[in-house]
Amino acid sequence: AQSVTQPDIHITVSEGASLELRCNYSYGATPYLFWYVQSPGQGLQLLLKYFSGDTLVQGIKGFEAEFKRSQSSFNLRKPSVHWSDAAEYFCAVGAASGTYKYIFGTGTRLKVLA
Amino acid sequence: SQTIHQWPATLVQPVGSPLSLECTVEGTSNPNLYWYRQAAGRGLQLLFYSVGIGQISSEVPQNLSASRPQDRQFILSSKKLLLSDSGFYLCAWSKPASGDNSPLHFGNGTRLTVT
Repeated sequence: AQSVTQPDIHITVSEGASLELRCNYSYGATPYLFWYVQSPGQGLQLLLKYFSGDTLVQGIKGFEAEFKRSQSSFNLRKPSVHWSDAAEYFCAVGAASGTYKYIFGTGTRLKVLA
Repeated sequence: SQTIHQWPATLVQPVGSPLSLECTVEGTSNPNLYWYRQAAGRGLQLLFYSVGIGQISSEVPQNLSASRPQDRQFILSSKKLLLSDSGFYLCAWSKPASGDNSPLHFGNGTRLTVT
């Protein structure tokens, strides 16, 4: 069965520091993977997606993620965090063919210290 | 470009009252439509999805229902709200499943408080 695990519920980093948010998935075939960001009281905004090809994908707001099949991971990274990056981040696996169901992790809440 | 509208943004309703949340999508045809609920401090729970007019799939048995009266309109309803229905409700759309596994695109959500 499909599943997504985000091991870190909360992460705190200082502004200007690098960031890595972890995501592990379980999927029977080549996964379609996504990262979303949610600011308080807002909907989810797509940061980036991986379907195939280059395993390092670039997204908006300076984020990138690397797909590692051997580790079943799709970790999100940013070299230098800005205070405005404080939000909740969700990793998701796309719908398996014919199911229409996307599976989301439980999210990682990022706090940025000035 | 495609846009998704969801309203109202916030809603306070007494227990036992009815509910109607509406979501519309513009700029695309025959989208897949979804309702999610997000309880405080928890992840996203899929409530309903629809792949076409009048086609609704329910993921969680509860006192909520969904309808899709038009191609790009998705409505979440309840006849009698419970306290446990409080939460943040998100509507989302994706391209029709035709081998293209497109991402979900979310509305801005509705904060529902049942008192």
